[in-house]
Amino acid sequence: QSALTQPASVSGSPGQSITISCTGTSSDVGAYNYVSWYQQQPGRAPKLILYHVNKWPSGVSSRFSGSKSGTTASLTISGLQAEDEADYYCCSYSGSTTWVFGGGTKVTVV
Amino acid sequence: EVQLVESGGGVVRPGGSLRLSCAASGFIFDDYDMTWVRQVPGKGLEWLSHINWNGGGTVYGDSVEGRFTISRDNAKNSLYLQIHSLRAEDTALYHCARVGRESGSYFDYWGQGTLVSVSS
Repeated sequence: QSALTQPASVSGSPGQSITISCTGTSSDVGAYNYVSWYQQQPGRAPKLILYHVNKWPSGVSSRFSGSKSGTTASLTISGLQAEDEADYYCCSYSGSTTWVFGGGTKVTVV
Repeated sequence: EVQLVESGGGVVRPGGSLRLSCAASGFIFDDYDMTWVRQVPGKGLEWLSHINWNGGGTVYGDSVEGRFTISRDNAKNSLYLQIHSLRAEDTALYHCARVGRESGSYFDYWGQGTLVSVSS
């Protein structure tokens, strides 16, 4: 159960779009359309922002979007806002009721 | 409002044991599978264990298999994680999370976590 690979940090200016990649293997990201993304602001619990690659939970902004190609999933944040500064984690189902997370990406709005 | 509140963390010596609890409210607890995830301070998330709605099925991550035991008491709307043979690398914030209903493949609500510190 090796962690999924995410860039350590990504930055952007207000209003820009940024994309965070999440690379796994044929046993997790490549095998299932069950990639989810979580936003974690300092001192807060993780918050689900996308599931099943590109579905929004109720109340989550449509500025967050997801995609997947092969063994790499991606999260795009459009119209970047100061409130988007946070850590973002991808997670993939990896079979037999197990999951694997990415190492996390720190998003900075400059 | 869905709420998950963890408790039971603390400072423990290597080799010691702890039982973490997660009190659930705001939803029908026995309609959902539940899970535990930990986070080393300043580091990423690690999935630990899953339990199905009635406690009849449990699964563990490789790093905790044999040392951690997940359980639940649906009458008390509570989830538990019994941790044995604690090691320094178990020092982390332990979150409980609810497993989403659509294909049970994501975690839709999380608690703030309870901190476990393993130190001699």
